[in-house]
Amino acid sequence: EPEVTQTPSHQVTQMGQEVILRCVPISNHLYFYWYRQILGQKVEFLVSFYNNEISEKSEIFDDQFSVERPDGSNFTLKIRSTKLEDSAMYFCASSGPGSNQPQHFGDGTRLSIL
Amino acid sequence: AQSVTQPDIHITVSEGASLELRCNYSYGATPYLFWYVQSPGQGLQLLLKYFSGDTLVQGIKGFEAEFKRSQSSFNLRKPSVHWSDAAEYFCAVGARKLIFGTGTRLQVFP
Repeated sequence: EPEVTQTPSHQVTQMGQEVILRCVPISNHLYFYWYRQILGQKVEFLVSFYNNEISEKSEIFDDQFSVERPDGSNFTLKIRSTKLEDSAMYFCASSGPGSNQPQHFGDGTRLSIL
Repeated sequence: AQSVTQPDIHITVSEGASLELRCNYSYGATPYLFWYVQSPGQGLQLLLKYFSGDTLVQGIKGFEAEFKRSQSSFNLRKPSVHWSDAAEYFCAVGARKLIFGTGTRLQVFP
């Protein structure tokens, strides 16, 4: 069964540094998403992406965040200048065309900011 | 405001016992509803989904859920729990932007 893959599984970064989290969505999916889960808290929506542009973003997704689909297979989340509070598990998800397609999630990247 | 409430933070059951995990939602339009399961160190695996039609939906691993519009609920059930079902369970609502509950941690005793 096709699945969403995320790399790396764990990223440790110094505060203030830039970090890029990578995702390979399911190949025939058209909608892509990032969510995050701070330890002990609920999963929170960050951004959705369709047709090479952001379709919706949350108030968490401020100017330090950006997303990109640099080629036909990858979907990336960049955090420009990391803060301690960015430490979390970041999940990528993708879904097929149509509004009634469920989102399929990757195993996540654990981001630790020191 | 759109929200999902999972009132049970932690549930413990014996293997072979039945299970019901509660989920209540607040959503302006007809909701799309989901249950996901997360094992330690893993991602979110889709158990089942409700979009429309039959209010009792079947999912993977023997799980089912019933949508009750009058109660704004979408409770997850399993008639006989296995030790491998121990995990965290999340209810979610939405289409492109999923809103998650805080999760219910299920512990299974032999």
